[in-house]
Amino acid sequence: DAGVIQSPRHEVTEMGQEVTLRCKPISGHNSLFWYRQTMMRGLELLIYFNNNVPIDDSGMPEDRFSAKMPNASFSTLKIQPSEPRDSAVYFCASSWTSGRAGETQYFGPGTRLLVL
Amino acid sequence: AQSVTQLGSHVSVSEGALVLLRCNYSSSVPPYLFWYVQYPNQGLQLLLKYTSAATLVKGINGFEAEFKKSETSFHLTKPSAHMSDAAEYFCAVSGGGSARQLTFGSGTQLTVLP
Repeated sequence: DAGVIQSPRHEVTEMGQEVTLRCKPISGHNSLFWYRQTMMRGLELLIYFNNNVPIDDSGMPEDRFSAKMPNASFSTLKIQPSEPRDSAVYFCASSWTSGRAGETQYFGPGTRLLVL
Repeated sequence: AQSVTQLGSHVSVSEGALVLLRCNYSSSVPPYLFWYVQYPNQGLQLLLKYTSAATLVKGINGFEAEFKKSETSFHLTKPSAHMSDAAEYFCAVSGGGSARQLTFGSGTQLTVLP
């Protein structure tokens, strides 16, 4: 299996620009998670989709952040406009969610975002 | 609400020595507990998880963890450290049910000295 695929792996942009991060979950998985990792705040859940529907977006920092999952094999996280404090590593993870809990989340390699 | 506390942001051990990384959790429901490892510039990889079956859980690369409800702990151990074990380790808790999301600890950076 190819695993969770994220693109781009690295992104450098200037403050005010729009940034779009992309994720392809593992085929057959029905849950998708976006996390952000920073030195100051550690790993934070931003948003969680189940069957392409956003279930919990309480971790999205502010209106500048938006996420979509138009189909089971693709999701985007968009920041518009970007700010230097958005610099972080953004991870996408996917899992198969059944009636039982405790399923494993599989993480992508992450996108390193630097906003100048 | 759930939370995880990892004691010690940095742990150093000599090669061949015991590895002990500490994790304490707080959960209002029976928890599901995970240990993930992150190598430099990579994503997180599952080491092992506890899902209310056996309290002693064996994972990959010789790691294991024991769930102790009375101590609300889920410490990670490995009898003999290898240089390749140097990485950052994260403990995480999931509340189960509709709460699928993981809540991560702050991580422990493991250094293995030759």
